Amino acid sequence: DIQMTQSPSSLSASVGDRVTITCRASQGISKYLAWFQQKPGKAPKSLIYAASTLQSGVPSKFSGSGSGTDFTLTISSLQPEDFATYYCQQYNNYPLTFGGGTKVGIK
Amino acid sequence: EVQLVESGGGLVQTGGSLRLSLRLSCAASGFIFSNYSMNWVRQAPGKGLEWISYISSSSDIIYYADSVKGRFTISRDNSENSLYLQMNSLRDDDTAMYYCARGIRNRAKDPFDYWGQGTLVTVSS
Repeated sequence: DIQMTQSPSSLSASVGDRVTITCRASQGISKYLAWFQQKPGKAPKSLIYAASTLQSGVPSKFSGSGSGTDFTLTISSLQPEDFATYYCQQYNNYPLTFGGGTKVGIK
Repeated sequence: EVQLVESGGGLVQTGGSLRLSLRLSCAASGFIFSNYSMNWVRQAPGKGLEWISYISSSSDIIYYADSVKGRFTISRDNSENSLYLQMNSLRDDDTAMYYCARGIRNRAKDPFDYWGQGTLVTVSS
């Protein structure tokens, strides 16, 4: 199985900050990488697929990059509604696997 | 509007039995269900996301996570716009919120787009 490792596991940031989350795959997955946002008590929301393609309706303050084994999710200017947990997921091979999550909290 | 609504969760008390079962459903609306692959993903309390099963649009391709293989069965009824997860031999570590999620395209490497709100399964001995 492909292991997905996210870092950091948590971070504290202020409104307006630029935030970057990294995700590393245990083997190459090309660009078959997705990002999700989850708020407490809510279902996950799909943000990005194919490493850098925004899902419909997702604001452009979110961006993704990377290929192979190393990927990043960037939030250009953190807003109050962005405080949440973010997960990466590889869909190159089954079983599909998720990273452990990065909790973005308020500083 | 795309909607996925899960149901069928609840409390299952094993009482030492290994034969307890539950069937989850995911009702789809707002899109042509038969054109899309579907998945089940679960999340144990306070934990991360775990993918557990995939089914292609015509049910010809099915995958399972090792943690549920042989105990859970995914299926769909395109005439009823519904996805199912038959869960047998439930264990305490199956306790989780169960989500259905739609694949963007009916391809082998298919990212998710829409998720349901989840249904909670609690297994207690």
